[in-house]
Parts: sequence; C-alpha cells; structure tokens
Amino acid sequence: EAQVTQNPRYLITVTGKKLTVTCSQNMNHEYMSWYRQDPGLGLRQIYYSMNVEVTDKGDVPEGYKVSRKEKRNFPLILESPSPNQTSLYFCASSLMGQGVYGYTFGSGTRLTVV
Amino acid sequence: AQSVTQLDSQVPVFEEAPVELRCNYSSSVSVYLFWYVQYPNQGLQLLLKYLSGSTLVESINGFEAEFNKSQTSFHLRKPSVHISDTAEYFCAVISDTGRRALTFGSGTRLQVQP
Repeated sequence: EAQVTQNPRYLITVTGKKLTVTCSQNMNHEYMSWYRQDPGLGLRQIYYSMNVEVTDKGDVPEGYKVSRKEKRNFPLILESPSPNQTSLYFCASSLMGQGVYGYTFGSGTRLTVV
Repeated sequence: AQSVTQLDSQVPVFEEAPVELRCNYSSSVSVYLFWYVQYPNQGLQLLLKYLSGSTLVESINGFEAEFNKSQTSFHLRKPSVHISDTAEYFCAVISDTGRRALTFGSGTRLQVQP
C-alpha cells in the first residue's frame, strides 16, 4: 500500500530534550515536506526537500532541522524543543512536477513539550 | 506569494441541509486549488482538486467546488450533508514553480447535527 509513515503518533517530552520524528514513504517520491498544524492557523510548512541532499526552509523553520540522506526518509529533528513547538506535525510527499496533483500525507505526530 | 482565506472557522448545519464552505485565495502566479478533509484524530485526505478545464469539480461523496477566477474563489458545496461529513475542511493552493509548497487556509470545522 502506497503510504507515508510517521513515528511516533504521540510524543510527550520535556523542554530541551532532543527528539526526532521519523517520516518514510514507499512511493519513490522526490519531494517531501513537513508541516505543523495549529488551531486557527491551518498547516504551515516547516521544511521541504526536492531530492536527496536537497533541503530548504519553509515558512516556519526556526527550531527545526531536517536531513535527506535517502530518498524514502525525511526525519524532523528538534534539537532543543520548547513549549511553543507543541503541535500536530504532518509529513507529506509527492512526485516532482506532479505536486500539482496534491500530496500524500502521513497520519500525523502529536507532540507535547512540557 | 500566495495566501488562502477561509471565511468561516465553524459552520454548524443540520443533517440533510445544504452547506457551503467559503474559500478565497490570492496569488501573483497561476495556482492549482484543492480541498482537503480531516476527520477527527486522522490525517488529511484529498477531497477534490481543480487543475484546469471545467471550473466545476466533484468528489465521490457528493461535494463539489467551483473555481471562479474573477472572484478568486473556490467554494465547497454539498446539497445534503450527513452526520459523517463532520470534519475539518482545508482549502489549499499550490503553484508549479518555486518551492511547490501547499499553502493552506486556517480551516473550517463543519459540524453536522441530527
């Protein structure tokens, strides 16, 4: 089944403790992206990647890092999480040039930073 | 730059009544338009999309949206809603240049009451 898999689904952590949210897709998509969803703000792009070793900032990149060493994986790294990063996070992917057809989204990771 | 405005944050409606969820966008380049649906505690699913051609697009579960270029709108409608349509609906746009980011509206929560 074609899908984007995120782990974990739920995570509670403490301020300053480094964490990684994993994202993996099995569709051979070049384009991958991370979004955060906050009430009343919709979804905002954090980082994106157009291919292996090619990453760039989205609209709200502060406090986050990403890497793209393999085509299928695009982990989101919070080196020193803070409470304002409490949010619902989504990973998404698409074929380059076919992003206009929409993205495939993962099921989400609900992160709470205390 | 592009932006999306969803004019209603919540829309309560009785079962079997018609509903319209409003979406307006602004962009300096040509964009493609989408509606995504998010059921409680789930990820985002593509509901329908406008890429080109007929300005009226339909989904398999009875929703339709009409692209109006002069009014820069892409309102979502359904003639008769069901309890199962209760969800949050997001309007989104994308251009096929630049970072190819989906830009989302803030969402409209549709609450269908018996």
